[in-house]
Amino acid sequence: QKEVEQDPGPLSVPEGAIVSLNCTYSNSAFQYFMWYRQYSRKGPELLMYTYSSGNKEDGRFTAQVDKSSKYISLFIRDSQPSDSATYLCAMSSSGYSSASKIIFGSGTRLSIRP
Amino acid sequence: DGGITQSPKYLFRKEGQNVTLSCEQNLNHDAMYWYRQDPGQGLRLIYYSQIVNDFQKGDIAEGYSVSREKKESFPLTVTSAQKNPTAFYLCASSPAGADTQYFGPGTRLTVL
Repeated sequence: QKEVEQDPGPLSVPEGAIVSLNCTYSNSAFQYFMWYRQYSRKGPELLMYTYSSGNKEDGRFTAQVDKSSKYISLFIRDSQPSDSATYLCAMSSSGYSSASKIIFGSGTRLSIRP
Repeated sequence: DGGITQSPKYLFRKEGQNVTLSCEQNLNHDAMYWYRQDPGQGLRLIYYSQIVNDFQKGDIAEGYSVSREKKESFPLTVTSAQKNPTAFYLCASSPAGADTQYFGPGTRLTVL
């Protein structure tokens, strides 16, 4: 069993829809949770970063962490064609990246239809 | 502009040849990382370095080598011992005490 599981998709939704992307994990020590967006043939860019459980909102994006269920989500409201990309979840257990190891999901490919 | 640069963007190599991928950052970050990305497998850590002149193996270090002679630079050599080197290679960096990583644009290596 992988430490982080993410549905690879592809997920196709119409423009304006609410998108829900999810990851599950098995390591209860994870405390730091991230979402990266990766456009085709580009490097991932950090989209959202949260610590422990709860919600974090940034514009059209909301990150949600449920540590009791070992489940994290990224919601995209009013989705746009420019949101079409692969979304990677990532998580780690340490507050120091020099000593920690970030585990990445395999990514969900999202396509927003105009 | 601050950021991470990787060169070249595309690289072709013949079997049996070593090749070096460049990674430079001007963010003054202490830690740097190399990942390999294959379709459906996510990012796999090859090597990472916390400080100059020090680096550690990641999950898939066999067939790769690195150096960290300067804070800004962390080149990766893909040796002929790497059996399946065709992949997208990503370099990342992070400041000390941070848990997030910032990625370069990547190098796509193809072995002919």
